[in-house]
Amino acid sequence: KAGVTQTPRYLIKTRGQQVTLSCSPISGHRSVSWYQQTPGQGLQFLFEYFSETQRNKGNFPGRFSGRQFSNSRSEMNVSTLELGDSALYLCASSVFADQETQYFGPGTRLLVL
Amino acid sequence: SQQGEEDPQALSIQEGENATMNCSYKTSINNLQWYRQNSGRGLVHLILIRSNEREKHSGRLRVTLDTSKKSSSLLITASRAADTASYFCATLRSGSARQLTFGSGTQLTVLP
Repeated sequence: KAGVTQTPRYLIKTRGQQVTLSCSPISGHRSVSWYQQTPGQGLQFLFEYFSETQRNKGNFPGRFSGRQFSNSRSEMNVSTLELGDSALYLCASSVFADQETQYFGPGTRLLVL
Repeated sequence: SQQGEEDPQALSIQEGENATMNCSYKTSINNLQWYRQNSGRGLVHLILIRSNEREKHSGRLRVTLDTSKKSSSLLITASRAADTASYFCATLRSGSARQLTFGSGTQLTVLP
């Protein structure tokens, strides 16, 4: 099976812009989670989607949003970008929504200037 | 916020030696998992240990869990240069807040 794919892999934006990141889970996986990784804060949970419904949300401002489509593909959107949003955004999928073994994609590295 | 703290933050050993990393966490958990990350790439799942288990093995990996001390350790035996990576513990909390929370990570360098 193909692994989790994320697009784009690298992105440069300027403050105030918005960005949309995409994640395609492993075939048959219905749960998709998103994480932000920064040198200062480490790996932080953003949100989890299962069957097109957001089931969990981390402690991030409303500028961070996401959605999941009927084919389990997921997108996350960050509006009004700030310098501190520069990070590696990781997507992970699992078969069910119990967040046991998760399979991670390579990540999207976002740089906000 | 991070559930786990890992110790040490960085570890450098010679090839063939064993590497031990420790993880402490704060709340009751359903399971604890260890992941590896190579140089800013995605995470690779290594092993999962449930809260009712005390020790688990997978190849050269041995994980222990002490729920009374809220701590876990990962032992990599006979390390190889290819084991050079960051290692993270992650906990799945008990109850309704079913989110995976990662520790701060240990950077392991295995010198050839």
